[in-house]
Amino acid sequence: QGQLVQSGAEVKKPGASVKVSCKTSGYTVTDYYINWVRQAPGQGLEWMGWINPNGGGTTYAQTFEGRVTMTRDTSISTAYMELSRLRPDDTAVYYCARDINGDDAFDMWGQGTMVTVSA
Amino acid sequence: DIVMTQSPDSLAVSLGERATINCKSSQSVLYSSNNKNYLGWYQQKPGQPPKLLIYWASTRQSGVPDRFSGSGSGTDFTLTISSLQAEDVAVYYCQQYYTTPYTFGQGTKLEIK
Repeated sequence: QGQLVQSGAEVKKPGASVKVSCKTSGYTVTDYYINWVRQAPGQGLEWMGWINPNGGGTTYAQTFEGRVTMTRDTSISTAYMELSRLRPDDTAVYYCARDINGDDAFDMWGQGTMVTVSA
Repeated sequence: DIVMTQSPDSLAVSLGERATINCKSSQSVLYSSNNKNYLGWYQQKPGQPPKLLIYWASTRQSGVPDRFSGSGSGTDFTLTISSLQAEDVAVYYCQQYYTTPYTFGQGTKLEIK
């Protein structure tokens, strides 16, 4: 069936960068795209982009273009999302979620990683 | 960007009664070449990630109880819970995956009356 396990909570200062990992297991990592979605405290869901583990192609939401980088290491079945030039309003839970084609619903989610940006 | 608008923002329903949540997209999410609506519904409980309930607007995800159903096409969609159970208290989101950026509705909070 599989699962996605994310790295632990982070506290960062404004202007810093954060890199969140998402380790996949129980399925062939190259069969599914990995999306990143964030949720600010008490707010809704915001899609950030996806990476195709089979080749490494990416698509980012324009909101995050220039600040976000999504990568993967297929040898360890892990995807990464790095967000730079952090601001306090980047404080959120960041989720990874898989979909089979890059244009499908997200059928499996990681547990979430809380990123707090504070001086 | 496609804007997803859910109604109502919150809903209180008695146990055993029907709950209905609506979702409207600012443009059609029906792909004519395959006649599929690129619309999903998710359930999120406090402290948990979202869980996929419905995809292609009306296909129930494996393991989801059959009291959950989705309907609609084009720009107007509905999630129905036929007989509300206590464990259905959650926030529900619709999502379009027709085109990037994928976008979600603002969420509907479902409570017990």
